[in-house]
Amino acid sequence: GQNIDQPTEMTATEGAIVQINCTYQTSGFNGLFWYQQHAGEAPTFLSYNVLDGLEEKGRFSSFLSRSKGYSYLLLKELQMKDSASYLCAVRDRDAGKSTFGDGTTLTVKP
Amino acid sequence: DTEVTQTPKHLVMGMTNKKSLKCEQHMGHRAMYWYKQKAKKPPELMFVYSYEKLSINESVPSRFSPECPNSSLLNLHLHALQPEDSALYLCASSQERFGGPEAFFGQGTRLTVV
Repeated sequence: GQNIDQPTEMTATEGAIVQINCTYQTSGFNGLFWYQQHAGEAPTFLSYNVLDGLEEKGRFSSFLSRSKGYSYLLLKELQMKDSASYLCAVRDRDAGKSTFGDGTTLTVKP
Repeated sequence: DTEVTQTPKHLVMGMTNKKSLKCEQHMGHRAMYWYKQKAKKPPELMFVYSYEKLSINESVPSRFSPECPNSSLLNLHLHALQPEDSALYLCASSQERFGGPEAFFGQGTRLTVV
């Protein structure tokens, strides 16, 4: 089985940097995903990590440490439109499926 | 074309109705998924198809019946649903079940059972 933890809520200021953490326990790790989901909309893919290290994509970066069962999503130069839920999902190699964390609701304030 | 298209966007059905949700992708992805999402909750996996064969059924009640007519299409047939089945139903696709990012979700069908 899998156990995925992320903070329930975070608040940050426009223009700032925020880091959303995700810790997981899985029997057969096969990749970690981050998605952004605005209220009432479908999730949008942000990043995918399968090896240790940092993946950077514009204002968004994602880091993975497999030995620690830890990932974070880093959002730079926050904009109001970044207010959304951020979902961490871990794919289990043995089960061949992904499980989502409960999501972190990020509120960006002026 | 990097889209997963779902129809309809909204559906209201009675408990005795039969309806179908449709999902289509033309990215050559060989794995397709159905998820159910309730408000303020993460998506919950329902079914996984890999190369048009059902790979995973997450103990979903038989009133939900998936079908994969070909590699581009995925249907979810609904019959005798309950009000608690009201949710956002999401379709997703990926290149393979065991490799690559599970990157693409459709916009979902918001289902209301009355």
